[in-house]
Amino acid sequence: EAGVTQSPTHLIKTRGQQATLRCSPISGHTSVYWYQQALGLGLQFLLWYDEGEERNRGNFPPRFSGRQFPNYSSELNVNALELEDSALYLCASSFFNQPQHFGDGTRLSIL
Amino acid sequence: RKEVEQDPGPFNVPEGATVAFNCTYSNSASQSFFWYRQDCRKEPKLLMSVYSSGNEDGRFTAQLNRASQYISLLIRDSKLSDSATYLCWGKLQFGAGTQVVVTP
Repeated sequence: EAGVTQSPTHLIKTRGQQATLRCSPISGHTSVYWYQQALGLGLQFLLWYDEGEERNRGNFPPRFSGRQFPNYSSELNVNALELEDSALYLCASSFFNQPQHFGDGTRLSIL
Repeated sequence: RKEVEQDPGPFNVPEGATVAFNCTYSNSASQSFFWYRQDCRKEPKLLMSVYSSGNEDGRFTAQLNRASQYISLLIRDSKLSDSATYLCWGKLQFGAGTQVVVTP
């Protein structure tokens, strides 16, 4: 069974640009979660999607947004990139109350 | 106040020793708890689920204490490869993680 897949693996952008990160959940999982992890810090919850709807949002500015598609895959969009957005962005998927399973992450670097 | 809190450590543990640490939660409605392990600059990986009756997986034992609102993880006979950050998860939230360093 394929795990959670994220693309791209690495992404390099400059300040002010926009970034799009993608996530495909494990087959059968309906929930997708996005987290940001800056170097040396803990996981910061960004967004939770379930059945195509945004269910919860972390304490991030509106320039962080996303969506979930009918096939349960998801996109995370970050507009007006700032230097402090440099981090590992992790996507996880789950079904109902089952544990989350993570992808390998996208490393976003802002120059 | 965060709903899930952990002692960040680090817990420095001699190889072969036992180490235990807790994760406290404030939302009594939490139903599901899990322990994850995260190696440096890698994604978290599910270690084990936590049940009211406690559960054991090899050298790892997880317990849930609903009355005192905490979950615990105990690692017996620590190996060098157990060095990692251990994250607890409850009610849509991860703790900040507890760092464990096993030394020779």
